Amino acid sequence: SAVISQKPSRDICQRGTSLTIQCQVDSQVTMMFWYRQQPGQSLTLIATANQGSEATYESGFVIDKFPISRPNLTFSTLTVSNMSPEDSSIYLCSVTRRGQDTEAFFGQGTRLTVV
Amino acid sequence: GESVGLHLPTLSVQEGDNSIINCAYSNSASDYFIWYKQESGKGPQFIIDIRSNMDKRQGQRVTVLLNKTVKHLSLQIAATQPGDSAVYFCAEKNMNDYKLSFGAGTTVTVRA
Repeated sequence: SAVISQKPSRDICQRGTSLTIQCQVDSQVTMMFWYRQQPGQSLTLIATANQGSEATYESGFVIDKFPISRPNLTFSTLTVSNMSPEDSSIYLCSVTRRGQDTEAFFGQGTRLTVV
Repeated sequence: GESVGLHLPTLSVQEGDNSIINCAYSNSASDYFIWYKQESGKGPQFIIDIRSNMDKRQGQRVTVLLNKTVKHLSLQIAATQPGDSAVYFCAEKNMNDYKLSFGAGTTVTVRA
């Protein structure tokens, strides 16, 4: 298993500012992902965090808005830039290992409210 | 595009009864499916998974059924308890890039 710590757990931010969310895993994992969960909705993949290189973004998400870092196998950050109220969501870090039957683990999420 | 979706958004169950949560998927190439439980204020928690070469898998009080013919997935919870109240998501995992695609979610409420 993997234990994931996300910081902060929640925040209220002013529009136009940026927030960086941290994800720390207690063991080395191959794959790290960032998801967004809008209020009352399902999870949508933002990007795959790649160690030592640029993240791979899904359609509808861009690096300028959601810059991601992954300096090593156990740590990643997601920044929500130039925030607007539409960015109010839960942001979740997820990790998994390569392999056919590998479970994906999630952090507790960061609940962001933009006012 | 292809997606994973759920039939019912809410399910109310009497404590002690069995629950059945359904999910339809459209990507016939998917070969790995997972059910997650998400309680309020928490991240999704793994419940059970199944590979496409299986049609049934049982865990503790839970059973997942996979019908590839109609691309349907279900989660059965036996003797539902108050602690089972949560949102349940099905997801399919792409075994090429390990990304998860989630369904819409079913909110399960257990009545005492």
